[in-house]
Amino acid sequence: EVKLQQSGDELVRPGASVKMSCKASGYTFTDYAMHWVKQSPGQGLEWIGTIIPLIDTTSYNQKFKGKATLTADKSSNTAYMELSRLTSEDSAVYYCARSPHYSAWGQGASVTVSS
Amino acid sequence: DIVMTQGALPNPVPSGESASITCQSSKSLLHSNGKTYLNWYLQRPGQSPQLLIYWMSTRASGVSDRFSGSGSGTDFTLKISSVEAEDVGVYYCQQFLEYPRTFGGGTKLELK
Repeated sequence: EVKLQQSGDELVRPGASVKMSCKASGYTFTDYAMHWVKQSPGQGLEWIGTIIPLIDTTSYNQKFKGKATLTADKSSNTAYMELSRLTSEDSAVYYCARSPHYSAWGQGASVTVSS
Repeated sequence: DIVMTQGALPNPVPSGESASITCQSSKSLLHSNGKTYLNWYLQRPGQSPQLLIYWMSTRASGVSDRFSGSGSGTDFTLKISSVEAEDVGVYYCQQFLEYPRTFGGGTKLELK
């Protein structure tokens, strides 16, 4: 069974950074791309970017360039997303989702930016 | 960026009735390979989204055959026949023809 286990919810200060993880199991990690999606409170879905773990290639939504950094650790089958210089606009639930077609999703990780 | 626009449902939908959700893209999602680069997802209350339909009309594994997808290059429909309680939630269409991948704003289905 394909499973994506995300790290826990975070409460962070404005201006800080946060790094979240998405641990994959049930398949060969390097066979599929991993996507990251943002869902602001009460809002829809927004694509942040995609990483291809096999070749460490990333694609970003221009809106999130400089905000999000995607990495992957093949040894632990884990994808990471770091968000920097956090503001209240970054308070949201973040999902990882696997290719193809976002066919498997993590449970989501909530980030709350507050002083 | 490709803009995805979803229609609203005349909520609430009576149980057992059919419901059709529309989605329109600002650019044709029909590729020269003959495939249409559109997915549909359902996000049930308090849950992560789940894939329902890919390539515009192919049901994902384990998805009920009450769900069907159709359309042209820019106009798409997700039809749910005989709506049930488990169908309640927000439905999203998404294009994956171009970067950035974009989603529709969502269509909420409520049950009567």
